[in-house]
Amino acid sequence: AQSVTQPDIHITVSEGASLELRCNYSYGATPYLFWYVQSPGQGLQLLLKYFSGDTLVQGIKGFEAEFKRSQSSFNLRKPSVHWSDAAEYFCAVGPLLSGGYNKLIFGAGTRLAVHP
Amino acid sequence: DGGITQSPKYLFRKEGQNVTLSCEQNLNHDAMYWYRQDPGQGLRLIYYSQIVNDFQKGDIAEGYSVSREKKESFPLTVTSAQKNPTAFYLCASTSRDIQYFGAGTRLSVL
Repeated sequence: AQSVTQPDIHITVSEGASLELRCNYSYGATPYLFWYVQSPGQGLQLLLKYFSGDTLVQGIKGFEAEFKRSQSSFNLRKPSVHWSDAAEYFCAVGPLLSGGYNKLIFGAGTRLAVHP
Repeated sequence: DGGITQSPKYLFRKEGQNVTLSCEQNLNHDAMYWYRQDPGQGLRLIYYSQIVNDFQKGDIAEGYSVSREKKESFPLTVTSAQKNPTAFYLCASTSRDIQYFGAGTRLSVL
């Protein structure tokens, strides 16, 4: 069965420190992979996506992620965290359907806290 | 500005009552989705719709109903059969395999 695992429920880092959020997936075909960010009480905002090609993808707000097929992973990284990065981060995999629409499977999320 | 508008932001349901959450998009997207979010569980798919007058059950459709009479609108009704409706509900629509989300509706039980 398809699934997404985010092993870390909570992570705390100091402002200016580097960040890596882990994501592992189980998927039968070549996946489409996404990272979304959610501020408290808000919807989800797309940070970056991987469909094909270069396995290192750049996103908004200085984030990047690397697709490693051999490890079934799509970890999110940022070299220097800002206090405004405190939020919940979701990894997602898809599509499961064809026809221009998709049915994403989301991980349970990682809540990031940033210490000043 | 194009986007997805969910209303109301907060909603309270009395026992035995049906309530309807609104989702409107002006992005001209064909596909729309409803998710339920509970703490520590990520997002779970309730219903999705690819075109007008067509919709499919997701993973947790019991106790919910939807309609898609217009391309722009995809309202979700939480019926009295949903015994644990307290959650954050998110609507999304799709363009080129990317899902875009509204700001959500938080539903609580009185």
